[in-house]
Amino acid sequence: RKEVEQDPGPFNVPEGATVAFNCTYSNSASQSFFWYRQDCRKEPKLLMSVYSSGNEDGRFTAQLNRASQYISLLIRDSKLSDSATYLCVGLYGNKLVFGAGTILRVKS
Amino acid sequence: DTAVSQTPKYLVTQMGNDKSIKCEQNLGHDTMYWYKQDSKKFLKIMFSYNNKELIINETVPNRFSPKSPDKAHLNLHINSLELGDSAVYFCASSQEGAGGRWVDTQYFGPGTRLTVL
Repeated sequence: RKEVEQDPGPFNVPEGATVAFNCTYSNSASQSFFWYRQDCRKEPKLLMSVYSSGNEDGRFTAQLNRASQYISLLIRDSKLSDSATYLCVGLYGNKLVFGAGTILRVKS
Repeated sequence: DTAVSQTPKYLVTQMGNDKSIKCEQNLGHDTMYWYKQDSKKFLKIMFSYNNKELIINETVPNRFSPKSPDKAHLNLHINSLELGDSAVYFCASSQEGAGGRWVDTQYFGPGTRLTVL
C-alpha cells in the first residue's frame, strides 16, 4: 500500500463549482502534510500547508484529520486557472512523500 | 531571478550512453534533492544532500550518482542509460529547520525531460 494515496480523477467541474479532494495516508509517523500544485509539463509548487486546525487561503481550505488519517482540499468558486494536478504530500523525517496526484479540469 | 535552475531542459539519448544533469539554486538553501517523475506522473525522491553531504539515498540503481560540489549545486550523473530511465527529473531545494527535522517548503526546478531511445 502506498504511503499517500489519492483519487487520480480527473475531476471535471464547471467554473464556479466547489470541488473537494481527499487523500489518505498509511503511516501516522508523518509530521506534516502539504498540498502542491503541478501544471501540465511544469514543476510542482507549494499550494498550502495542512494543519489539524484547518487553514484557509482565499478560495482554498485544507484540513487534516489525524484520527482518520486523511487530508482534504476544498476549492470554492473554481476558476479555469485552477485546472492542474493537485499533489498530496506527507513529510516523513527529512523526506517528502508525494501522492500520485488528482487531476482537476475546470471548464467554462 | 532567485530560483532553482536545471540544465538541460530536454535530453534525448541512446541506450547505453552516459549523461549528466546539472542543478543550481541561488536561494541560499542548504538542502537539495533529486526526484524522478515517471510516465504515470508519480514523483519519487531519489537523493538528498545537506551541506554537500548525502542524507537520503533511496533504492536507486548505482548507475545514478549524485555529486554536490558545493551547497548551491547538485548534479546527477547517469551511466549506461536504459529505456526505463526515461522520465522527468526534478531538482529541488529547501532550508533545513531547527533540529534537522523540519523541511521548509521545497522549491522545484523546471525539470529535465530525459528520453532514452
